[in-house]
Amino acid sequence: NAGVTQTPKFQVLKTGQSMTLQCAQDMNHNSMYWYRQDPGMGLRLIYYSASEGTTDKGEVPNGYNVSRLNKREFSLRLESAAPSQTSVYFCASTEGFGTWEAGELFFGEGSRLTVL
Amino acid sequence: QKEVEQNSGPLSVPEGAIASLNCTYSDRGSQSFFWYRQYSGKSPELIMSIYSNGDKEDGRFTAQLNKASQYVSLLIRDSQPSDSATYLCADHNTGFQKLVFGTGTRLLVSP
Repeated sequence: NAGVTQTPKFQVLKTGQSMTLQCAQDMNHNSMYWYRQDPGMGLRLIYYSASEGTTDKGEVPNGYNVSRLNKREFSLRLESAAPSQTSVYFCASTEGFGTWEAGELFFGEGSRLTVL
Repeated sequence: QKEVEQNSGPLSVPEGAIASLNCTYSDRGSQSFFWYRQYSGKSPELIMSIYSNGDKEDGRFTAQLNKASQYVSLLIRDSQPSDSATYLCADHNTGFQKLVFGTGTRLLVSP
C-alpha cells in the first residue's frame, strides 16, 4: 500500500530557483492538500483541491502555485524560491470533502526543502 | 489569535501515568475535531476524531469535547515511552473544507 507518495524527499535550492514538488495518491481520494510545517507554527495550509479540476488557496498561498493534474496527482510549484520557503512540505488526501469525514487526512512522508 | 491553540509543552509524564493534552478553538461554528500524532521526523497520523459533546474512547485514548467552553482534550491512559510524540489538535472550518491545525503539544513519557 503506497498511500500518498511525495517526491523529492529532500531538496536544496538557491534563492530564485524554481522547483516542483510532486504528490500522488492511490486511494482514489477526491481531495488533496499541500501543507507546510515550520518549527513552532504547526501545519499551515498552502493550497487545496476539493476535486479534480479545482484548486483553492489556503492560509499561506503566496509564492506558490499548484496543479491538479488528474485525480491521483497534485503538484506544488515554487516559481522563485526564497529563504522564507525553507520548510517541510506535506501532501495529504482525503475522501468526503465537505463532510465530517474530510478531517481524516492521509499524509505523505514529507519533503524537506532548504532555500539558501 | 490562532484558531486552534495548544500549549507547546513539553508535557512530561512518567510511564503508566495519564497524559492530558488540551486544545481550545475560536470558531464557534466548528463541529468536528481531530487529534493527530506526529513522531519526530515523520508525518502526522490520525488517532482520534470527535464530533459530539462528551467523551469518546478508543483503547487507551479518550477524546473529550466541550462545545460550550470551546475546549477539546485528549487523555492517554497508561502512558508508554512509545507515546512520546507531538500531538496536533485540528478542527474543521464551516463547510468541512479545510482542516486547521494547532501548533502541537510535545509529550515526553519517561520510563
